[in-house]
Amino acid sequence: DIVMTQSPDSLAVSLGERATINCKSSQSVLYNSNNENYLAWYQQKPGQPPKLLIYWASTRESGVPDRFSGSGSGTDFTLTISSLQAEDVAVYYCQQYYNTPITFGQGTRLEIK
Amino acid sequence: EVQLVESGGGLVQPGGSLRLSCAASGFTFSDHYMDWVRQAPGKGLEWVGRTRNKANSYNTDYAASVRGRFSISRDDSKKSLYLQMNSLKTEDTAVYYCARGNYGLDYWGQGTLVTVSS
Repeated sequence: DIVMTQSPDSLAVSLGERATINCKSSQSVLYNSNNENYLAWYQQKPGQPPKLLIYWASTRESGVPDRFSGSGSGTDFTLTISSLQAEDVAVYYCQQYYNTPITFGQGTRLEIK
Repeated sequence: EVQLVESGGGLVQPGGSLRLSCAASGFTFSDHYMDWVRQAPGKGLEWVGRTRNKANSYNTDYAASVRGRFSISRDDSKKSLYLQMNSLKTEDTAVYYCARGNYGLDYWGQGTLVTVSS
């Protein structure tokens, strides 16, 4: 199984500042035949289901604000929120869909400083 | 508008069974892989399993924690997904979500709570 490890577990950032969450996979999730990283990022607010933010490691889902961006390749990935807004308080998860079992990171709780 | 609505959750004793349903609308259900994901109270997300589409022979995969106890099925004519859960354990207590498998999981239902307790 591919193990996904996020860092940090929690993060407090001031409004308007940058937030960065890291995700490392235990093996590469880059599929050589199409040069795509099978890595997604989700946002989950209390009492709500997760919401897909980013797929293919760096493609924003429709309707997601452009302050959210994803980067990385192979085994190391980053979710960046360029200017934190109050509504971004949530838990963020990375997920690999390179193979089954699909696996998630443990989550990163993002709060306002 | 894509909608996924789970039902069938509730309280069940250890060793018991429960069947969850997920009603889909707003998209061509038969074209898509469909997944179940669960979340224990206060915990992270755990993938339960997947059913592929007809083009991929409706093949299923399961997490090791549920393999042999849970079974995923679908009825494309009813646009419905099912999760049959047998031999339930207290550690199966969670909110169960159905989700559309695509590039990642792009649509999720609101979830249904399953509580396994005596």
